[in-house]
Amino acid sequence: DIQMTQSPSSLSASVGDRVTITCQASQDISNYLNWYQQKPGKAPKLLIYDASNLETGVPSRFSGSGSGTDFTFTISSLQPEDIATYYCQQYDNLPRYTFGQGTKLEIK
Amino acid sequence: EVQLVESGGGLVQPGRSLRLSCAASGFTFDDYAMHWVRQAPGKGLEWVSGISWNSGSIGYADSVKGRFTISRDNAKNSLYLQMNSLRAEDTALYYCAKTNDILTGYLTEWGQGTLVTVSS
Repeated sequence: DIQMTQSPSSLSASVGDRVTITCQASQDISNYLNWYQQKPGKAPKLLIYDASNLETGVPSRFSGSGSGTDFTFTISSLQPEDIATYYCQQYDNLPRYTFGQGTKLEIK
Repeated sequence: EVQLVESGGGLVQPGRSLRLSCAASGFTFDDYAMHWVRQAPGKGLEWVSGISWNSGSIGYADSVKGRFTISRDNAKNSLYLQMNSLRAEDTALYYCAKTNDILTGYLTEWGQGTLVTVSS
């Protein structure tokens, strides 16, 4: 099974900062990598699909990049409403999905 | 508007069974694969199971394989998860989620979840 290693597990940053989260797959997953945001008490929300595509309605300060085994999620200028936990997730055709461990983002 | 409403959760003793349901509306249900994802209290997301549009492709996490069965009824716009031989570690909020494709894909919409508590 494919394992996803996400880091860091927690992150504290200031409003306006550039924030980066990484996700590494245990084998080549091409671009089948998605990013979700989950706020406390809420269901997850899709932000980025297929590594670098911004979901409709998601602010452009969010972006994703990477392919193969190494992926990056970036918030270009952190806003107070971005406080949440972020998850990467890979998928294949079997279907078989795996989530990363999550990154809890806090305001400094 | 896409709506996914889970039901069927509750308190159940270890070793017993429970059946979760997800009622879908606002989209053509049989055009999309569907999934179950769970989240134990204070923990991260864990994929549980997924099913393609026509039930031809089904997958399970190793942690539930042989105990859980996913199914769908396209005529009723409903997704199900039959959970047998429940364990304490199955305690979680169970989300139903819709993909963007008939076979697989990213999870575009999620329900609000139904809580399953396994305890004696």
